Amino acid sequence: KAGVTQTPRYLIKTRGQQVTLSCSPISGHRSVSWYQQTPGQGLQFLFEYFSETQRNKGNFPGRFSGRQFSNSRSEMNVSTLELGDSALYLCASSLYRGNSPLHFGNGTRLTVT
Amino acid sequence: DQQVKQNSPSLSVQEGRISILNCDYTNSMFDYFLWYKKYPAEGPTFLISISSIKDKNEDGRFTVFLNKSAKHLSLHIVPSQPGDSAVYFCAASHLNYGGSQGNLIFGKGTKLSVKP
Repeated sequence: KAGVTQTPRYLIKTRGQQVTLSCSPISGHRSVSWYQQTPGQGLQFLFEYFSETQRNKGNFPGRFSGRQFSNSRSEMNVSTLELGDSALYLCASSLYRGNSPLHFGNGTRLTVT
Repeated sequence: DQQVKQNSPSLSVQEGRISILNCDYTNSMFDYFLWYKKYPAEGPTFLISISSIKDKNEDGRFTVFLNKSAKHLSLHIVPSQPGDSAVYFCAASHLNYGGSQGNLIFGKGTKLSVKP
């Protein structure tokens, strides 16, 4: 069974630009969550989607947004990039039922210059 | 304010011995706990979980212990192998208090080195 796939693996963007990251969950998983990992803050929850609806949102500014499609694939978008947005962005999927663990992709490394 | 804390940034253990990784939490509504391990350039991999109704869960060489009164959990790896060298993250959620398994609060990780 294929794992969670994230594209692209690496991105370099300039301040002020916007970026879209893509995530394909494990087949049969209908829940997708996004996390940001930085050396200082560790892994922080961005948002969670299930059945194309945002179910939970972390404490990030409105520049961070996401969506989920009918096939459960998800995208996240960051607008007006800032240097501090440089991070590893991780997508995770799960079955969205009690005690079903998250399974993570290998992430997209975003560098903002 | 860190709700999940892993106070040891690193741990070094000899191959074959026991590795004990610790995690403390502050939110008494947490009712589901997980451990993940992460190799460089890869995403975290799920290892083992425990619900707050239990105090122990085993899966092969990995055992997680939960002490709710102390708000403390630990991961035991026995015997430790060089391939276990990775960063280990503790995570928590409050599934029965408005949370979901997609919204996990992570500790900052402990880097385990298992020496041959």
